[in-house]
Amino acid sequence: GEDVEQSLFLSVREGDSSVINCTYTDSSSTYLYWYKQEPGAGLQLLTYIFSNMDMKQDQRLTVLLNKKDKHLSLRIADTQTGDSAIYFCAERGSNSGYALNFGKGTSLLVTP
Amino acid sequence: EAGVVQSPRYKIIEKKQPVAFWCNPISGHNTLYWYLQNLGQGPELLIRYENEEAVDDSQLPKDRFSAERLKGVDSTLKIQPAELGDSAVYLCASSSPGGNTQYFGPGTRLTVL
Repeated sequence: GEDVEQSLFLSVREGDSSVINCTYTDSSSTYLYWYKQEPGAGLQLLTYIFSNMDMKQDQRLTVLLNKKDKHLSLRIADTQTGDSAIYFCAERGSNSGYALNFGKGTSLLVTP
Repeated sequence: EAGVVQSPRYKIIEKKQPVAFWCNPISGHNTLYWYLQNLGQGPELLIRYENEEAVDDSQLPKDRFSAERLKGVDSTLKIQPAELGDSAVYLCASSSPGGNTQYFGPGTRLTVL
């Protein structure tokens, strides 16, 4: 199947910006998503971007999409300790119906 | 608005026993998904329902797993018999007609001893 790759771990200091990166292989991807998962909880949808866009901003979150390189990033401004969680990148390809294809997640640790 | 509801939140059983998980999607969401999340991995789709019809069950291990959504609302996922390797989190998600986003429940964490 198609792959979604993420770095596994990121550590930042409180107040700094965090950038979580993701690459995917499915050229038919129509939507790309970022989900947040806190310990023992389900996945919380943070934001998503349609494949014909290259940027989307929502408060502290900025999503950048480079469709040519199949690279997606999530920037969190002014990172807080409450942002510590696992962040999943997911894509929905036109060939996969409505199923989401997830990466393995990036564990973000925010230190005081 | 209530989110996706799942129960139980945790289940511990011995291998070879049956187990069932229940999901109630967000009101008005006709599409329901069951995902399996192994430790350290992202979720993987098991089955997708459009109303009461299973439209994608290609990843469901049908020798031991079954699912139903009889009235097109609530859904049940069953494992019989459970194996040690089934220990994981089982997530339910739903989306609205034509919707581009899936909303997830808190999951059921299954431990098979």
